[in-house]
Amino acid sequence: NAGVTQTPKFQVLKTGQSMTLQCAQDMNHEYMSWYRQDPGMGLRLIHYSVGAGITDQGEVPNGYNVSRSTTEDFPLRLLSAAPSQTSVYFCASSYEVGESEQFFGPGTRLTVL
Amino acid sequence: DAKTTQPNSMESNEEEPVHLPCNHSTISGTDYIHWYRQLPSQGPEYVIHGLTSNVNNRMASLAIAEDRKSSTLILHRATLRDAAVYYCIPSDETSGSRLTFGEGTQLTVNP
Repeated sequence: NAGVTQTPKFQVLKTGQSMTLQCAQDMNHEYMSWYRQDPGMGLRLIHYSVGAGITDQGEVPNGYNVSRSTTEDFPLRLLSAAPSQTSVYFCASSYEVGESEQFFGPGTRLTVL
Repeated sequence: DAKTTQPNSMESNEEEPVHLPCNHSTISGTDYIHWYRQLPSQGPEYVIHGLTSNVNNRMASLAIAEDRKSSTLILHRATLRDAAVYYCIPSDETSGSRLTFGEGTQLTVNP
């Protein structure tokens, strides 16, 4: 298993540009989520999904959209990038909701100029 | 969510035991206590979790106080690879899999 994969590893955007961060898992996990981590801080939940076709907002959802058309993929869309969205983004998955062990991807480092 | 208090940083020597404390005095009766760690430039990694009893796995042990207001993650023999930020995260069924990360404890392991 490749586990949780994220692309790209690094990205630089200009203010106002849009882009999609990709996340995929090959473990048939129902639960997937996106976090952001600002320098020196813990992770904050952006959006999550308990299964294909179902998404919900986390702690900091503004400026981001998600969809879950398949079990494997959970892309995160930045609609109009802002410097405040400069951060490292992590995707995570677990077999089902409430499962204690979650698997995190390697992260995407995003800089918005 | 229960609030947690962890030391900002701790140091240990290689091959010595490490005890990482966490206070969670507002924990509810149904909250599990999860520990994750984050190695430099990597995503978080699950370490261990427990409810009331002490727990052991291949990575670590988790000692939970009888009143559940605190817990201690124990690394029995620290290695250089254990240098990471360690997060203590109470979580219950109502929060599902939504994890609330604090700032954690930065563990430095000296050779």
